[in-house]
Amino acid sequence: DTGVSQDPRHKITKRGQNVTFRCDPISEHNRLYWYRQTLGQGPEFLTYFQNEAQLEKSRLLSDRFSAERPKGSFSTLEIQRTEQGDSAMYLCASSRQIYEQYFGPGTRLTVT
Amino acid sequence: GEDVEQSLFLSVREGDSSVINCTYTDSSSTYLYWYKQEPGAGLQLLTYIFSNMDMKQDQRLTVLLNKKDKHLSLRIADTQTGDSAIYFCAEQGQAGTALIFGKGTTLSVSS
Repeated sequence: DTGVSQDPRHKITKRGQNVTFRCDPISEHNRLYWYRQTLGQGPEFLTYFQNEAQLEKSRLLSDRFSAERPKGSFSTLEIQRTEQGDSAMYLCASSRQIYEQYFGPGTRLTVT
Repeated sequence: GEDVEQSLFLSVREGDSSVINCTYTDSSSTYLYWYKQEPGAGLQLLTYIFSNMDMKQDQRLTVLLNKKDKHLSLRIADTQTGDSAIYFCAEQGQAGTALIFGKGTTLSVSS
């Protein structure tokens, strides 16, 4: 299996701009998760997809955040009107079963 | 509420055993995990244990689970400099989706 891939690996944007990140899960993994990790903290759950259905969203996922998984394969996470507080590492994970989540390398977002 | 606590730092000498401890609060947790994160990288799944088990061994790694005290530990035998990283403990509740992570334990291995 190739692992979970994420693109881009790094993104620098100005406050107020929109950004979109992509995640490609391990093939045949129908479950996909997004997490956010800030410096010195563990990852925090954002949202969960099973196939194309978004089944769970955290309170952290404000109205400026939207995630999609249109064909049940890759997923995108968009942040509109970015704020400095959005600066973090955005991690994607996938799993075939309910357990064993495998993480990608992450996208590091810096909002200036 | 759900909370996972870990000590922040551990320093050991190469060849010694490392023991990283974690406590969690959700008694309905089904799976408990250990992940490793190297600087600037994503998380690597090291091992996990189902809540009805007491112990799991995988090569140099031994996981011990005390459900009564809600205590999880990871023992790394013969610790190497390549084991230097941040180790995260995580619990997964009965809902079976989100992982709840601790803040991580930074393991420093000196030669």
